[in-house]
Amino acid sequence: DVVLTQSPLSLPVTPGQPASISCRSSQSLVNNHGDTHLHWFHQRPGQSPRRLIYEVFNRDSGVPDRFSGSGSGTDFTLRISRVEAEDIGIYYCVQASYWVTFGQGTRLEIK
Amino acid sequence: EEQLVQSGGGLVQPGGSLRLSCAASGFTFSNTWMTWVRQVTGKGLEFVGNINQDGSVINYMDSVKGRFIISRDNTQKSLYLQMSSLRVDDTAVYFCARDPGYSAFDNWGQGSLVTVSS
Repeated sequence: DVVLTQSPLSLPVTPGQPASISCRSSQSLVNNHGDTHLHWFHQRPGQSPRRLIYEVFNRDSGVPDRFSGSGSGTDFTLRISRVEAEDIGIYYCVQASYWVTFGQGTRLEIK
Repeated sequence: EEQLVQSGGGLVQPGGSLRLSCAASGFTFSNTWMTWVRQVTGKGLEFVGNINQDGSVINYMDSVKGRFIISRDNTQKSLYLQMSSLRVDDTAVYFCARDPGYSAFDNWGQGSLVTVSS
């Protein structure tokens, strides 16, 4: 099974400062068709998850442009250029190149 | 507005059964894969299984195979999760989600809490 390892697991950030979350896969997420299916989700306390980024770097409609996704192969990153209070919650990466697995989540909190 | 509204859930004893429902509105339900994802309280997300547009392809995580059944009724625009032989470690919030392709879940239900306890 593909294992996704996120780091850090806890991320305290001062508002206005940047933040970065890493998602590393136990194997390359480039599948037999040459595609990479890696997405990012955000879950606020008490809410359902919401998709932020799909297929590595495509930002969803309504997602602020301070969010960006990048990476390839086994290493992927979600970046927030300037953290705001509304960004608190847990961020998950998900891969669907080989079955479906989630990262363990990164909890972002405001300092 | 595209929406998924869940119902069902509750407290059940080990070995018991429960059915969750997920009603879709605002989009063409019959055109999309659908998925169930669960989340143990305070823990991460876990893929339970999914079903294709006409119900002819259904996938399950190993630990629920033979115990859970995913189905859909496109005329009712509804997705179902029939859970039987429930175990304590099935206790979780269960989410239905729309899958536009490759598990890029772009719409989620509000979640249904399932508690398995004696």
